[in-house]
Amino acid sequence: DAGVIQSPRHEVTEMGQEVTLRCKPISGHDYLFWYRQTMMRGLELLIYFNNNVPIDDSGMPEDRFSAKMPNASFSTLKIQPSEPRDSAVYFCASSPGTSSSYNSPLHFGNGTRLTVT
Amino acid sequence: AQSVAQPEDQVNVAEGNPLTVKCTYSVSGNPYLFWYVQYPNRGLQFLLKYITGDNLVKGSYGFEAEFNKSQTSFHLKKPSALVSDSALYFCAVRLFSGGYNKLIFGAGTRLAVHP
Repeated sequence: DAGVIQSPRHEVTEMGQEVTLRCKPISGHDYLFWYRQTMMRGLELLIYFNNNVPIDDSGMPEDRFSAKMPNASFSTLKIQPSEPRDSAVYFCASSPGTSSSYNSPLHFGNGTRLTVT
Repeated sequence: AQSVAQPEDQVNVAEGNPLTVKCTYSVSGNPYLFWYVQYPNRGLQFLLKYITGDNLVKGSYGFEAEFNKSQTSFHLKKPSALVSDSALYFCAVRLFSGGYNKLIFGAGTRLAVHP
């Protein structure tokens, strides 16, 4: 089990540029979550998917943010255009989708540290 | 609103002493509660969970947590702290009503264990 894999680990970009963060969940996990971590706001849930379908995107900050899950093994979080206030660590997490999914822990990737200058 | 609170930004403890990291929750219905730990430049790692049953749950690395329904608390504990326990700790509650299934985290508590 390779765990949740995120890429890149670090991303530095200039304001106005498009940024794409990538995530490969654990095989067999039906739920995928995107979180953002900052000193000021802590861990915020941005969006989550169940069986590749977005269920709750109420945490997405604004229209500049979009997320997709084209298949069970890949998801992207895109920011276009990026702004300095988007600088944060972005985490992807996955969890099983069995009948006991409510008590299954989330498995986190190591995150992508985004810096927008 | 359903939420989880960690009242302490930082907890300092000497190595070998017991430690407690506090967490309180506010949810409707029965809470599903979790503790996670985060080391520098890493993702969150699952420590333990409370779903039902015994109020004292045991988890990884010698940690345990006590669920107290009357006080709506789920404090993390360890009998003897190690320097290597120094990290950021998060309490979380699983929300699954109304068709949702998501994990909401507290603000985190930084644990510093001094030699």
